[in-house]
Amino acid sequence: AQSVTQLGSHVSVSEGALVLLRCNYSSSVPPYLFWYVQYPNQGLQLLLKYTSAATLVKGINGFEAEFKKSETSFHLTKPSAHMSDAAEYFCAVSEHNQGGKLIFGQGTELSVKP
Amino acid sequence: EAQVTQNPRYLITVTGKKLTVTCSQNMNHEYMSWYRQDPGLGLRQIYYSMNVEVTDKGDVPEGYKVSRKEKRNFPLILESPSPNQTSLYFCASSLVFPPEAFFGQGTRLTVV
Repeated sequence: AQSVTQLGSHVSVSEGALVLLRCNYSSSVPPYLFWYVQYPNQGLQLLLKYTSAATLVKGINGFEAEFKKSETSFHLTKPSAHMSDAAEYFCAVSEHNQGGKLIFGQGTELSVKP
Repeated sequence: EAQVTQNPRYLITVTGKKLTVTCSQNMNHEYMSWYRQDPGLGLRQIYYSMNVEVTDKGDVPEGYKVSRKEKRNFPLILESPSPNQTSLYFCASSLVFPPEAFFGQGTRLTVV
């Protein structure tokens, strides 16, 4: 069965520092992979997606993620954190034969210190 | 503007009192689903629908019902709510391939 593991329920960085949020998945076939962001009192917004094209995926707000099949990982990075990046981030996976169903990780809350 | 609209945003109710949370999308998506979000558990799928009159259970369907009479609407029904259904609920719609989901703003439900 598919699953997603996000390492670290809380990550804190200083403004201007590198952001690294970790996501590992288990899937029997190369899946679709997504990162979503949730700001307080809002719904989830798509940051970026991997759909078996380029392994390095660029998203909105300066975020990017790299699909590494050998490591079954899809870590999210941003070179320089901004205060506005403080939010909860979710990694999600969907296999090609699962229709629109997404399996989510537990979420990582990102705090950005001034 | 492409969007998924849920109502209400906040709801406090008592145990056993039937309630409905509405969801509507304007993107002509075939696939719609409901998720609940609980701390430390991420989002878990409750029910989904592949098309009109086609619905199926997700991972946590107990205590919930849904219907899909029109393509744009996918209401979530709690016929006899219990306190363990206190949660944050999200409706989502998506294309099937790739399954990029668009989410509503969420409904925070408290059952006392």
